[in-house]
Amino acid sequence: DAGVTQSPTHLIKTRGQHVTLRCSPISGHKSVSWYQQVLGQGPQFIFQYYEKEERGRGNFPDRFSARQFPNYSSELNVNALLLGDSALYLCASSFPFSGGLQETQYFGPGTRLLVL
Amino acid sequence: GESVGLHLPTLSVQEGDNSIINCAYSNSASDYFIWYKQESGKGPQFIIDIRSNMDKRQGQRVTVLLNKTVKHLSLQIAATQPGDSAVYFCAETPLMNSGYSTLTFGKGTMLLVSP
Repeated sequence: DAGVTQSPTHLIKTRGQHVTLRCSPISGHKSVSWYQQVLGQGPQFIFQYYEKEERGRGNFPDRFSARQFPNYSSELNVNALLLGDSALYLCASSFPFSGGLQETQYFGPGTRLLVL
Repeated sequence: GESVGLHLPTLSVQEGDNSIINCAYSNSASDYFIWYKQESGKGPQFIIDIRSNMDKRQGQRVTVLLNKTVKHLSLQIAATQPGDSAVYFCAETPLMNSGYSTLTFGKGTMLLVSP
């Protein structure tokens, strides 16, 4: 079975540009989360989407936005790129449990973004 | 979030040894915990999880121990192999009031296995 897929694998942009990153979840998973991982640190939560609606947002500026499509794939958009946006952007998918149980999140390989 | 430098804590072991990686978590409301393995250039890979109603869970060659009293997790890897070399993260998640949960990751520990 295919895991979480992300595209592109690598990307180089310059300051001020805009970028769109894409994610396809594991088949059957309806929830997608985005994380930013700066070199040497653990991933930091950006967004979580379920059934095309934003369920949660981390402490990131409004330059970051996302959306989820009817097929549960997702896009992460970042406007007005800054040097500090250089990072590995990870997408994780999960199948929401009922009854208040937390979901196990499975990660894709990430998109490596370099802002010059 | 907590800020860390580029120098991750490192555990160096010989092939065949048992490895123990420790993690302290901060949120007493967290009740679901996951260990991830991240190899260079790849995304985090799920290893094993545990819920707060348990204090031990075993998988294939791995065991996770949870001590809620001192908010401590450990990952034990039996008969460590060179392929186990990676950065290991613990992640915690509480159930948020709005009904969704997200992962908060620890600092990470680099495991180096020598043949």
